Amino acid sequence: DAGVTQSPTHLIKTRGQQVTLRCSPISGHKSVSWYQQVLGQGPQFIFQYYEKEERGRGNFPDRFSARQFPNYSSELNVNALLLGDSALYLCASTRDTEAFFGQGTRLTVV
Amino acid sequence: QQQVKQSPQSLIVQKGGISIINCAYENTAFDYFPWYQQFPGKGPALLIAIRPDVSEKKEGRFTISFNKSAKQFSLHIMDSQPGDSATYFCAARKDPGTASKLTFGTGTRLQVTL
Repeated sequence: DAGVTQSPTHLIKTRGQQVTLRCSPISGHKSVSWYQQVLGQGPQFIFQYYEKEERGRGNFPDRFSARQFPNYSSELNVNALLLGDSALYLCASTRDTEAFFGQGTRLTVV
Repeated sequence: QQQVKQSPQSLIVQKGGISIINCAYENTAFDYFPWYQQFPGKGPALLIAIRPDVSEKKEGRFTISFNKSAKQFSLHIMDSQPGDSATYFCAARKDPGTASKLTFGTGTRLQVTL
């Protein structure tokens, strides 16, 4: 079975731009979560979606938004990018209690 | 707000030795405690996990010890190998309805030397 797939793997954006990151969960998993991992720190929870509904939101500004599609894939959108948004963005696919992470999208804001 | 505190920040262990990483939590509502291993450029990989009704769980060379009264848990890597060199994160979850809403520690960079 394929694991969690994220695209793109790397991305460079300019301050003020908008970005969309994509995630496909493991087949059969209905829950997707997004995390931000700044260099040298642990991942920070951004959103969780289950069956296309938002089930949780972390302490992130409204510039961050997400959605889940009928096939359970998900998109994370970040508007008005700031230098501090530079990070590894991780998608996690969940079955029961276990969360499985993708390789992430490395976003660099210049 | 740091709800899961992890130590040490970095650790150097000789091949064959025991690596020990510690975590402490504050919120007694946490009910699931996984450990993740992360290699550079990769996403975290689930290593082993424990629930608070169990004091110890072992899988191969990896063991979690859990002390509910002290609100502490630790990861022990027996017979550490150079391939174990990675960053390790402890995590905790408090809401069964949001299975992947995890709170992570700050990570421990483990280096296993020959």
